[in-house]
Amino acid sequence: IAGITQAPTSQILAAGRRMTLRCTQDMRHNAMYWYRQDLGLGLRLIHYSNTAGTTGKGEVPDGYSVSRANTDDFPLTLASAVPSQTSVYFCASSRDRGQPQHFGDGTRLSIL
Amino acid sequence: AQSVTQLDSHVSVSEGTPVLLRCNYSSSYSPSLFWYVQHPNKGLQLLLKYTSAATLVKGINGFEAEFKKSETSFHLTKPSAHMSDAAEYFCVVSDQASGNQFYFGTGTSLTVIP
Repeated sequence: IAGITQAPTSQILAAGRRMTLRCTQDMRHNAMYWYRQDLGLGLRLIHYSNTAGTTGKGEVPDGYSVSRANTDDFPLTLASAVPSQTSVYFCASSRDRGQPQHFGDGTRLSIL
Repeated sequence: AQSVTQLDSHVSVSEGTPVLLRCNYSSSYSPSLFWYVQHPNKGLQLLLKYTSAATLVKGINGFEAEFKKSETSFHLTKPSAHMSDAAEYFCVVSDQASGNQFYFGTGTSLTVIP
């Protein structure tokens, strides 16, 4: 079934550790996105990529980095995790920027 | 600046009665508007979208929304609620001025009472 796969589904991490959240899509979409979802705040854009080889900063990029080496993969890295990064992280993709986005099932991340 | 306000954080309806989830938006240009649904521990699923065609938009599962430019609203409705409609609903705005970035509302939690 075509879609977006995120891994891991959940993780508990000690503060200060490095963590990479994985995201893979098989729809050949050009654009990909990372959001964090926090209670009462909706979804906020962390980073995005309009096409392979390019990335951009969203609303809340600090403490996060991304890469887009190919069309399918868009990993999100926390270089040194802090408790405020405890959240549910969603990866999404769209055929092009501005088109409807398709979402993965999320990664629940707890930083202790 | 683009923004979305979902006027109710929680809505409760009885099964079989109409659903109304309210959304107001702010946009400098002709906006694209979307409604997404999120079931527990799942990602967001597109319900419907408005992109400057017909102002009354029909989506999946019997939902529809009407774009009213004069009121800057895009309310989501369904004539008869089903138990499976219980979920979180998000209104989203996007326009060219923002580089087509999506701006999400804070969500409305819909409870359906049997």
